[in-house]
Amino acid sequence: AQSVTQLGSHVSVSEGALVLLRCNYSSSVPPYLFWYVQYPNQGLQLLLKYTSAATLVKGINGFEAEFKKSETSFHLTKPSAHMSDAAEYFCAVSEGTGRRALTFGSGTRLQVQP
Amino acid sequence: DTGVSQDPRHKITKRGQNVTFRCDPISEHNRLYWYRQTLGQGPEFLTYFQNEAQLEKSRLLSDRFSAERPKGSFSTLEIQRTEQGDSAMYLCASSSWDRDLYGYTFGSGTRLTVV
Repeated sequence: AQSVTQLGSHVSVSEGALVLLRCNYSSSVPPYLFWYVQYPNQGLQLLLKYTSAATLVKGINGFEAEFKKSETSFHLTKPSAHMSDAAEYFCAVSEGTGRRALTFGSGTRLQVQP
Repeated sequence: DTGVSQDPRHKITKRGQNVTFRCDPISEHNRLYWYRQTLGQGPEFLTYFQNEAQLEKSRLLSDRFSAERPKGSFSTLEIQRTEQGDSAMYLCASSSWDRDLYGYTFGSGTRLTVV
């Protein structure tokens, strides 16, 4: 079985501040991990993914995430928040076999204050 | 390549009516997924196809729900006898099994409101 827990349904940061969105996963096999962003009334856009290569993954728009097996975590960070980063962010997990679809967390809404 | 298209974008229906949604994936993608997203939640997996074969169905896919992908291209999701609890965003995604399995592209979704 696989599951994802996102700590904090809402995160608010000031423009230019560090963004940290937390994700912990559970998987019975080596996981593949993903972060997606969703803007209002739109589908999901992939920010980055971990597929068992480098543990520090760089994505689009300056985001990155680090896979920590010992902590079963895959937190998303960005050094400096921009107003355009305000959106809903979802962490997702899948077994690396390709037999299972993605399991998503409940999401974290990021607000960026001017 | 125009991405994943979903039609309609919005659907309002009365309880008890049947509704059908369509998804057109990226043409070279052989995998197609349906997810449901309720307000304030992450997407929940419903079912997926590889070509025309439906390989997995979630327990969320009750017998009122049926999905097809008859020629391995577009897919339809039908909900019979809609209930208020069916109100949600229905998302479609596609990927290529042999080139980039997890390179999902999501559509913009169909928002269903059951009144």
